[in-house]
Amino acid sequence: EADIYQTPRYLVIGTGKKITLECSQTMGHDKMYWYQQDPGMELHLIHYSYGVNSTEKGDLSSESTVSRIRTEHFPLTLESARPSHTSQYLCASSESGNSPLHFGNGTRLTVT
Amino acid sequence: GENVEQHPSTLSVQEGDSAVIKCTYSDSASNYFPWYKQELGKRPQLIIDIRSNVGEKKDQRIAVTLNKTAKHFSLHITETQPEDSAVYFCAASKGGNQFYFGTGTSLTVIP
Repeated sequence: EADIYQTPRYLVIGTGKKITLECSQTMGHDKMYWYQQDPGMELHLIHYSYGVNSTEKGDLSSESTVSRIRTEHFPLTLESARPSHTSQYLCASSESGNSPLHFGNGTRLTVT
Repeated sequence: GENVEQHPSTLSVQEGDSAVIKCTYSDSASNYFPWYKQELGKRPQLIIDIRSNVGEKKDQRIAVTLNKTAKHFSLHITETQPEDSAVYFCAASKGGNQFYFGTGTSLTVIP
């Protein structure tokens, strides 16, 4: 079934660790996004990509990096996790800017 | 850039009543306006969307209206049910790469 998948679903790590959150979609969408969201709160754009080898920074990008080597894969890396990174991370994709966003189930990250 | 404001931030209604959530946007070039519903612990899901060449769109109990002149669009839910309780987000896009989200409305339907 065409969908967007995120792993892990939950992650607890210690301060200073490097982590990568995985996101894959099987819909062939060119546009992919990473959002940070505290439960039920506003969505904050971290990074986005409009195709292979193209990435752009959003509002909260300064402490993370992304790559887009393949259309279906858009991983997010935190180089040095901090307690302030504790949040939910949502990956999304869309066919175009005039098409709906499809969200993954999210990764709930806790940094101790 | 675009700025989307959403009101109210919380809304409580009795079951069977109607609920209205309003969003305003700043960039007249925005031309696509989706609404998302996010239930507790789940991912946001599209419930309805409207494009700038249409003034109103309806899907069963849900409708969206768009006023391009005033730059606002609204979500209308009629005959509310407890399962409508969720956080609702509006968004605007200019057809480029970014979606601009409102800050969300927490809707509670009281049985």
